[in-house]
Amino acid sequence: GESVGLHLPTLSVQEGDNSIINCAYSNSASDFFIWYKQESGKGPQFIIDIRSNMDKRQGQRVTVLLNKTVKHLSLQIAATQPGDSAVYFCAENREPGSNTGKLIFGQGTTLQVKP
Amino acid sequence: ETGVTQSPTHLIKTRGQQVTLRCSSQSGHNTVSWYQQALGQGPQFIFQYYREEENGRGNFPPRFSGLQFPNYSSELNVNALELDDSALYLCASSRGQRPGNEQFFGPGTRLTVL
Repeated sequence: GESVGLHLPTLSVQEGDNSIINCAYSNSASDFFIWYKQESGKGPQFIIDIRSNMDKRQGQRVTVLLNKTVKHLSLQIAATQPGDSAVYFCAENREPGSNTGKLIFGQGTTLQVKP
Repeated sequence: ETGVTQSPTHLIKTRGQQVTLRCSSQSGHNTVSWYQQALGQGPQFIFQYYREEENGRGNFPPRFSGLQFPNYSSELNVNALELDDSALYLCASSRGQRPGNEQFFGPGTRLTVL
């Protein structure tokens, strides 16, 4: 099916370090990207989004970078905590101007935080 | 928690049977989207309901159908179940149908088809 690609399936980091999770997308027309966090037994939880007319957006302890030239998206988590352990998905809207909130999700990266 | 609830939590069916999954949207939301998440995969868009009408569909066969009610809760129906339908079914509600409207996900219904 349709999917956004991710570079690594699992990322292991030490508590307190910064984490960087990467995502590649293929459709240059995509205009909106979202990062979700999914903990075991729960549905995806919104982290941060970015529109294609932006290169960077910051939230609380998180930063999303968008490089449209190489169609690459990254999520940076500062001072990673054990509670950040989860699967992270990037999702994109491939139908600009659409009236449907159809999101295409990647396969996910598992973030493991070591104490 | 998002305020989006789904029932049942788990369900076991046999091949060929039919199933109905339910979703209650968050207060103030008029849009529900359904996703299928196979084990180890990202969610895949099934369809979206906006103000009781289907508003977009993914690459799923017609045996996947849905409804949205006047209170904006929603049902997902799957007929003639196949083994590959085993997955976590997620619904997400939003305050509007456009991609820019944040989608709040429920915990999902785990469907197992034997």
